[in-house]
Amino acid sequence: IAGITQAPTSQILAAGRRMTLRCTQDMRHNAMYWYRQDLGLGLRLIHYSNTAGTTGKGEVPDGYSVSRANTDDFPLTLASAVPSQTSVYFCASSDRVNSGANVLTFGAGSRLTVL
Amino acid sequence: GESVGLHLPTLSVQEGDNSIINCAYSNSASDYFIWYKQESGKGPQFIIDIRSNMDKRQGQRVTVLLNKTVKHLSLQIAATQPGDSAVYFCAEIFYGQNFVFGPGTRLSVLP
Repeated sequence: IAGITQAPTSQILAAGRRMTLRCTQDMRHNAMYWYRQDLGLGLRLIHYSNTAGTTGKGEVPDGYSVSRANTDDFPLTLASAVPSQTSVYFCASSDRVNSGANVLTFGAGSRLTVL
Repeated sequence: GESVGLHLPTLSVQEGDNSIINCAYSNSASDYFIWYKQESGKGPQFIIDIRSNMDKRQGQRVTVLLNKTVKHLSLQIAATQPGDSAVYFCAEIFYGQNFVFGPGTRLSVLP
């Protein structure tokens, strides 16, 4: 089934540890995104990539980094996790170039708890 | 009823009734709007979209209304079913690529 795969589904992490959330899509979408979702705040953009080899900062990029070595993969790294990074993280993609409208397709999410 | 603060607004409806979920947006330059449905433990799923040059669009059991004068968007669900229970949120898109998401409304369908 075509879509977005995120891993891990859930993780508990000690503060100060490094963590990488993985995201893979098989739809050949050119654009990919990482959002965090916190109750009452809605989805907030962390980083995005319009095409392989390029990345950009979103609304809340501090403490996070991304890379886009190829079209399919867009990992999100927390270099030194802090408790305020406890959240549910969603990876998304869109076919911005070829579609008439920019509709995001989301993964199932990764729930991260930083203690 | 509704709750505010750190809790999502909640709409409770009887099974079979129609539901109306509202969303206010802020950017008059928004050119596109999307409604998403998010079930517990899952990622958001696309429901329906509408361009800013339209004021109404219908899908299967769902209708989206856009009032640009007051920057208001609504999602109407006809004959609400238990499977409709979820969090619904709107997204406004401006300049073709910038998404702003609302915090969401929890729809609870009562038997």
